[in-house]
Amino acid sequence: GENVEQHPSTLSVQEGDSAVIKCTYSDSASNYFPWYKQELGKRPQLIIDIRSNVGEKKDQRIAVTLNKTAKHFSLHITETQPEDSAVYFCAASITGNQFYFGTGTSLTVIP
Amino acid sequence: EAEVAQSPRYKITEKSQAVAFWCDPISGHATLYWYRQILGQGPELLVQFQDESVVDDSQLPKDRFSAERLKGVDSTLKIQPAELGDSAMYLCASSLFGQGYEQYFGPGTRLTVT
Repeated sequence: GENVEQHPSTLSVQEGDSAVIKCTYSDSASNYFPWYKQELGKRPQLIIDIRSNVGEKKDQRIAVTLNKTAKHFSLHITETQPEDSAVYFCAASITGNQFYFGTGTSLTVIP
Repeated sequence: EAEVAQSPRYKITEKSQAVAFWCDPISGHATLYWYRQILGQGPELLVQFQDESVVDDSQLPKDRFSAERLKGVDSTLKIQPAELGDSAMYLCASSLFGQGYEQYFGPGTRLTVT
């Protein structure tokens, strides 16, 4: 089955700096890669996603890049704010089936 | 805005007892997922339904876990008997299969087995 690895497990940045979280996957059939933000005690919320026919997608301060050849994708958050502090999960899926999640990155934005 | 509903939000049970969780997906969402999330880890898919049919239950411990979605709408996940290692957050998610792959999660049920 699919194996999704996520790094780093914890990340601290100063407010206004950028944060980058990286994930790798093993199954070349995976074609949908969402990112979720989970605040303590709350449900995961989709923040951005990318499909395998696209190399990059951006939504305001958040961007995701995908390298199909290397089987890795990354989340980029620019101009970080304290409210960005949360646990972020990447996932890989085959057309909405068989979602496999990474182990999570705890992001702390220091004011 | 429509949301996935789950109940109960919290459940404490003794080991060897039976426990059940309920999920009501967003109206019109044909695909429903049950996940288990152990503290500090990512969600792990237990079972996926397409309408009333099971699409994937390869990670479901079938000796003690069961799931059903009889009318293709709401769903129930059952554990019998519960074990100490079952303590976790149980999350339900739904998606509009075929029109996008985006999953929307419910608030989860926090299970503690004593």
